[in-house]
Amino acid sequence: GAGVSQSPSNKVTEKGKDVELRCDPISGHTALYWYRQSLGQGLEFLIYFQGNSAPDKSGLPSDRFSAERTGGSVSTLTIQRTQQEDSAVYLCASSTRQGRIAEAFFGQGTRLTVV
Amino acid sequence: AQSVTQLGSHVSVSEGALVLLRCNYSSSVPPYLFWYVQYPNQGLQLLLKYTTGATLVKGINGFEAEFKKSETSFHLTKPSAHMSDAAEYFCAVSADSGAGSYQLTFGKGTKLSVIP
Repeated sequence: GAGVSQSPSNKVTEKGKDVELRCDPISGHTALYWYRQSLGQGLEFLIYFQGNSAPDKSGLPSDRFSAERTGGSVSTLTIQRTQQEDSAVYLCASSTRQGRIAEAFFGQGTRLTVV
Repeated sequence: AQSVTQLGSHVSVSEGALVLLRCNYSSSVPPYLFWYVQYPNQGLQLLLKYTTGATLVKGINGFEAEFKKSETSFHLTKPSAHMSDAAEYFCAVSADSGAGSYQLTFGKGTKLSVIP
């Protein structure tokens, strides 16, 4: 597609429920990143995919968070048993890797509200 | 490890005045540096980046930034502010965490207000 697409744009869920957030990166971009943006913490790295593998999961805050990527394209971030502190905007970014350059293109984000 | 410090969470300037947003970084390896802009309810848009070469880099919308290694700084400037520049600006550094990801580490952001 023309840009990084994320869905849904907004999600309200009850505490304890599971949620899935979707990211459709720019066609041909092999690298995909998830970030979380919250008022108290700013922008935090969550996970990095190169193709379908995730060599860097160091930013996932707990084992309730997981992500997968299939076909080297679409990625899903899953949060299980959501808590109120999970409320944030979840941003996805993709890039073509050219050596060390990492110009990432961001989606509009999914605003998650846990009530 | 790398980190980014943005001085001033809020900056207000008059329309037509100079915009200066400050960013200092720390990195154990030569950094790649970025400025992103975020308009309300939107994603991040790349303004400009420094990788190697010329230390003064020009970006979109009339913004530029200068990489100063001795000061570990990458301040963002624009000679004359427009109302449309009101947004939040993020400085970021890219360096390998050890897993080959080169993910971006962001500053806390500076919200720019432009006063008519």
